Amino acid sequence: DTAVSQTPKYLVTQMGNDKSIKCEQNLGHDTMYWYKQDSKKFLKIMFSYNNKELIINETVPNRFSPKSPDKAHLNLHINSLELGDSAVYFCASSQLQGTNEKLFFGSGTQLSVL
Amino acid sequence: GEDVEQSLFLSVREGDSSVINCTYTDSSSTYLYWYKQEPGAGLQLLTYIFSNMDMKQDQRLTVLLNKKDKHLSLRIADTQTGDSAIYFCAVVSYNTDKLIFGTGTRLQVFP
Repeated sequence: DTAVSQTPKYLVTQMGNDKSIKCEQNLGHDTMYWYKQDSKKFLKIMFSYNNKELIINETVPNRFSPKSPDKAHLNLHINSLELGDSAVYFCASSQLQGTNEKLFFGSGTQLSVL
Repeated sequence: GEDVEQSLFLSVREGDSSVINCTYTDSSSTYLYWYKQEPGAGLQLLTYIFSNMDMKQDQRLTVLLNKKDKHLSLRIADTQTGDSAIYFCAVVSYNTDKLIFGTGTRLQVFP
């Protein structure tokens, strides 16, 4: 059983398209996150949700819109994709809200914008 | 902003010890973390140390924390080829109260 699963694993699309990445966790955690990892492997948080409520919203273009239908799911929708959006996107979850919580990561979605 | 720096690469021979270093500018972390990322996979929590400790040993892993120098290290004893991965330290920023990941160290183990 995969604890944090995200789909698709690979996403190749053209500039200007709209795409979504889905994430589900079966750990019963209250908090979920989206991270972006660039080509240099640098990781940066994008969003954090606690029990379906937005907690952290970093300086991310508003083309990125997270949606949490329930606390086990946090999806990421991206409008008008740009070349610079190419990266690996990781979903993560933690039991409690708070920065001293241990994170459990999904295996990532490699997004390539052509 | 908070800086969490690591050297980019480390290459060791199988059976030797590996030491991966991490320096941070400021931290309010209760815990300081080490994550491991294998190729094509997400990050996996490897170990962590409570900020009041200066050393933690967990089988082949030893974490050292020097709060005065703001330095965290991960020592892997008897390094194996399966240890080849990218290792990230992570601390909570004093300024933003957010978890900040280091730049990652790619460990390569050769026979």
